This record gives sequence, structure tokens and C-alpha cells, in this order.
Amino acid sequence: DTEVTQTPKHLVMGMTNKKSLKCEQHMGHRAMYWYKQKAKKPPELMFVYSYEKLSINESVPSRFSPECPNSSLLNLHLHALQPEDSALYLCASSQDRGAAVYNEQFFGPGTRLTVL
Amino acid sequence: TQLLEQSPQFLSIQEGENLTVYCNSSSVFSSLQWYRQEPGEGPVLLVTVVTGGEVKKLKRLTFQFGDARKDSSLHITAAQPGDTGLYLCAGELGNNRKLIWGLGTSLAVNP
Repeated sequence: DTEVTQTPKHLVMGMTNKKSLKCEQHMGHRAMYWYKQKAKKPPELMFVYSYEKLSINESVPSRFSPECPNSSLLNLHLHALQPEDSALYLCASSQDRGAAVYNEQFFGPGTRLTVL
Repeated sequence: TQLLEQSPQFLSIQEGENLTVYCNSSSVFSSLQWYRQEPGEGPVLLVTVVTGGEVKKLKRLTFQFGDARKDSSLHITAAQPGDTGLYLCAGELGNNRKLIWGLGTSLAVNP
């Protein structure tokens, strides 16, 4: 299985709502990532988990809260978002450093988030 | 400062034409990936190049990594409408798991 799955595909939420995005991979990868992507721009890194521990937080506002319950799952909890947070949210995974000498990331299909 | 300059930004060609997309940097990358992305979908990994001077072929797509590992190119032969999409290059500096992204090339192949 070489797939990264994300749910939901689309999400519309108000600024006072709490919602979560989910990501799953079964490739045995030990690094997982959250990215935010605006239209016609490259992905922007938000968080990196390595061996289920948060290793990189790119100064993301606290209204985004990541969680890695186990090596296959990654969540992104959303609370009190702003309309400018509307974007495509992408999850990715890659092998750990011991298994691969380069960082080849595999992406999920994304969640299209709209904040009203 | 954009560490990975990708060009052209937009490209509209007729079916059957050839094209080349470039990614250039003054930095040395330990690896470089090329992705293709369709609207509303996640990027799909096409290839990873790691060795200076490396050439990889994927059907009508040819990828090259510069000898000094600072630049890369993607050449498409006899483009087809199915090649339409956003092409992104992304390079890894060192081993900190962060990819440096080009701004993308939006390709439209007209039948």
C-alpha cells in the first residue's frame, strides 16, 4: 500500500467551530507532515512529526494543533480559525533517516478547507 | 529570497510539442524531487534525483540533476493534454526534513 489518505475531502467551518483533519499512511513511514497550500502556490510546511514526536513547528498559530496518536495516524485539530486560513491542507509521509538517505515525501489528496 | 528558482512560471503549448522546465539554485541539494499536481489534489511524486549528473526517464519525461547538484530540469517530449498540471520541484538541503520548493510551472497542453 503506497497511499496516504486524508479525510474529509472538503470541510466548511465557521470561525467558532472546532474540527479535525485526519491523515493515515500504511507505508511504514516514521515521518509525517502537515502542509498548507494556497491556490497556485507551493505547499508551505506547518509541522513535522518524527517517530510520533513533534520535531518541527514552523511558527504556526496555536489555533492549529497537531497530534500523532501512532506511527500511522496524524491529526490536525482546528479551533477559532480565520477566513484567511482557507486553503488546501496536505498531509505527507516519508521514511525515517535510517531507512533512506533522502527525504522523498508522499502526499495525500488533501482537505479543502473553507472558513466562513 | 527564493532559494529554488523555477521557470517558466506558465507554459501553454500545443499537443505534440516538446518543453523543458528548469529549477536553479545557488545552493547544493542532497536530493531533488519533481512533483505533478492537479487542481484540488495533492502533489504526486514523479522522480527523485540524488547524484550529480544523474538522468532519469519516465516514459516521455526526462529528468536531469546538474553535476554540482544545484539545478535540475524536466523535459517532456511530445506533450499530451494529460500532461496538463502544476509541476513543482523541491530540494532537500542537508538532512533536516524540510523541502525547499520552487514556485511551480503551470503547464497547459492544448489538443
